[in-house]
Amino acid sequence: DAKTTQPNSMESNEEEPVHLPCNHSTISGTDYIHWYRQLPSQGPEYVIHGLTSNVNNRMASLAIAEDRKSSTLILHRATLRDAAVYYCILSTSYDKVIFGPGTSLSVIP
Amino acid sequence: DGGITQSPKYLFRKEGQNVTLSCEQNLNHDAMYWYRQDPGQGLRLIYYSQIVNDFQKGDIAEGYSVSREKKESFPLTVTSAQKNPTAFYLCASSMGSVYTEAFFGQGTRLTVV
Repeated sequence: DAKTTQPNSMESNEEEPVHLPCNHSTISGTDYIHWYRQLPSQGPEYVIHGLTSNVNNRMASLAIAEDRKSSTLILHRATLRDAAVYYCILSTSYDKVIFGPGTSLSVIP
Repeated sequence: DGGITQSPKYLFRKEGQNVTLSCEQNLNHDAMYWYRQDPGQGLRLIYYSQIVNDFQKGDIAEGYSVSREKKESFPLTVTSAQKNPTAFYLCASSMGSVYTEAFFGQGTRLTVV
């Protein structure tokens, strides 16, 4: 199963953009790239997903490299409520998903 | 409102006792999943079910059992055979086996003393 590599932690100032990187050099052609985030003592929350093209939704943007070996989750203006652990995962189905430790994002007021 | 509900939020049990964690969804999702999360770690798959009356083991199924008698419900039993049951347990559901968006419950924190 394909795995992802993310930095353990990142910091951002409030109201500034945040770019969360994810490497997935062994991605297969059918793997979707998904991002979830998890607040303390809560279940993960879906953020965004994509296959090849960049994606935008009300929460974030997903930029996918042309070779699909890396991607970046972009939060356009970080708020204190965006402080969470962000997971980048790959799969075609949830029974094959690997949730690694993710990136812990701190937002500084 | 549609969603996925786990109960209870906190659960304490004595060592050697079996305990059942509840997971109910009203999203009409076919697939349901149980994950375990230890402090500072990611999620690990325990069991999953893609249709009623069928389920498969995930990566860490030993010491756990599940049932899927109804589409809406996927209870997890932590048996006395599970050597280190204290953890945060998360239930999720999705439309089908092909990945779309998964919805997670708020989790059950199980402490075995």
